[in-house]
Amino acid sequence: DAGITQSPRHKVTETGTPVTLRCHQTENHRYMYWYRQDPGHGLRLIHYSYGVKDTDKGEVSDGYSVSRSKTEDFLLTLESATSSQTSVYFCAISEPGGTGGYEQYFGPGTRLTVT
Amino acid sequence: EDQVTQSPEALRLQEGESSSLNCSYTVSGLRGLFWYRQDPGKGPEFLFTLYSAGEEKEKERLKATLTKKESFLHITAPKPEDSATYLCAVQAGGGSYIPTFGRGTSLIVHP
Repeated sequence: DAGITQSPRHKVTETGTPVTLRCHQTENHRYMYWYRQDPGHGLRLIHYSYGVKDTDKGEVSDGYSVSRSKTEDFLLTLESATSSQTSVYFCAISEPGGTGGYEQYFGPGTRLTVT
Repeated sequence: EDQVTQSPEALRLQEGESSSLNCSYTVSGLRGLFWYRQDPGKGPEFLFTLYSAGEEKEKERLKATLTKKESFLHITAPKPEDSATYLCAVQAGGGSYIPTFGRGTSLIVHP
């Protein structure tokens, strides 16, 4: 257990409203990630962070922003939610394994529905 | 561009019927290949990391192997509780720590 929690776990929102998802970790991990998972696409990286206030874009970052003001919290914001952002969102942290491989540990996920 | 292809997409087995899942990859300098298990409604759970060709790792009924082009996840005498989606990911060498995931193999084991 890597001590990762996500909130909320489920959310239904309307098109055009802002939404913020929170990822919280308790073990001081440096690297944090946000993914979305959709049928037929697998896991796709939205944004990631390599330290406080250090973030970068993943492959599907359009329409999303992130912030990391504290080591333990990584926030994902949908500024104006669209139906195409209906998905399951996973937060992950990574730890360096042997010879530099970064194995990831995932949170329980947030199911977001945009109506 | 790093690529990961998993096959088959779905696999149905009878309890006790051993089989293998495949993960083919292309990557510029492999730093690590990872296997994860994902149960419905949950986040992926880390299983193994393999670093170099010829390496093998085992956990209960699962054994992961690695060659220069692919990895296999062998499932010996599976039980219904092994039913899950199995994900493979690779991490390239250099300064990157971002993995590339495959789309997974959905395994169902019937009693």
